[in-house]
This record gives sequence, structure tokens and C-alpha cells, in this order.
Amino acid sequence: SQQGEEDPQALSIQEGENATMNCSYKTSINNLQWYRQNSGRGLVHLILIRSNEREKHSGRLRVTLDTSKKSSSLLITASRAADTASYFCATAGASKIIFGSGTRLSIRP
Amino acid sequence: ETGVTQTPRHLVMGMTNKKSLKCEQHLGHNAMYWYKQSAKKPLELMFVYNFKEQTENNSVPSRFSPECPNSSHLFLHLHTLQPEDSALYLCASSPGQGDGYTFGSGTRLTVV
Repeated sequence: SQQGEEDPQALSIQEGENATMNCSYKTSINNLQWYRQNSGRGLVHLILIRSNEREKHSGRLRVTLDTSKKSSSLLITASRAADTASYFCATAGASKIIFGSGTRLSIRP
Repeated sequence: ETGVTQTPRHLVMGMTNKKSLKCEQHLGHNAMYWYKQSAKKPLELMFVYNFKEQTENNSVPSRFSPECPNSSHLFLHLHTLQPEDSALYLCASSPGQGDGYTFGSGTRLTVV
């Protein structure tokens, strides 16, 4: 399966600290995407990184992709209470996107 | 508001009822999707429509019946559901398959 698997499953950090989440997958991909989901709501697309890219930034987000290791990481810098949510990686093959199980991030005040 | 609108937001139905979930997007996207999200499980892809044609049915039971009358609207018709079908049902759209998705807020379905 090309499904991404996030690590850790849950992460609790102090406000202001950086949060790093990892994603591993098994097969070749066209791109890898990260999404955020607040409790009981729909997912929000954060960033897409293509298979020929190694790093991408968007505001306080930094995503890396290592296709040789079949892994990606999402770094959120200077975390805020509003960053509390579940974060999912999604791997895109030729015709569909498969989501992982997510990392639940909690930001402590 | 994401540009993908799902109605209703909440639905409680009995096992013998027939109901429909609606999804609407006016983003000009060509692909639309239904996902099921149950507690402590990954998002499960149910159906994919590309240019109004169904391109994926992920072994979904026939008590779930999708309909895509045009590229802006997607329905999920429900009948004789089971309690284990209770979940958050999410609709999404994308410019093309494999592009970033825009999700609706979901319909929280409870089957009693």
C-alpha cells in the first residue's frame, strides 16, 4: 500500500516550541500533501510537495521530502494554541490520494 | 467557508430510512470524492468521480449509492444503513486527480 503512516500518533508541546511530525510511505508517489483537521471538521490542505522537490515552506510550515527513504516531515515553528489539531499526510499516486492515520498535536499554554 | 459545501451538517437516521447527503462545489474542480472517517481509523476513500464519471468504487456496500449529476454536485444516497455506518462523511474536490483537495465540513451521520 502507498498509505502514509504518521509518527508520532500524538504530540504535546509547549506553546512557542517547534513541532515535528513524520510520515513514511511504501510505494512511489507523484506528490505528498499535508492536511490539518480541527475536531469534527473537514480537512484543510496545508502544503503539497512534488516528488522532485526536497523542501518547501509556507509561513511557519516547513515540509521536507526524501524519496530515497520514502519519508516526509512537517515542521511547525513557534507553535500557537490554534495549531492544536490532527495532522495528516496524504500520498498521491497516479489516480488517487491515500491518507495516513494522523498525528494529534496538542499545544499547551 | 472552503468552497465545498456539505448538507446537512448532522443527520440521525433509523436503519430503515432513506436519506441523501449533498455536496456542492463551485471551484471549477473536475474531480469529487466521498470519504468516510470513523473514530480511530484512517480516512477511507469511498468513491471518486472525474468529469462526472465514477472512476473508483472502493468496495463500498451497495447501501451507499453515489450520484454525480454534474461536475459541481455530488450526492450520497443512503438506505438500510447499519449502526457501524455512523461516521463523519467528508466530500472533497480537486482540480484533477492527485491535486490538493478542498474538503467540505462534513456530515456527522448517526444511525440508530
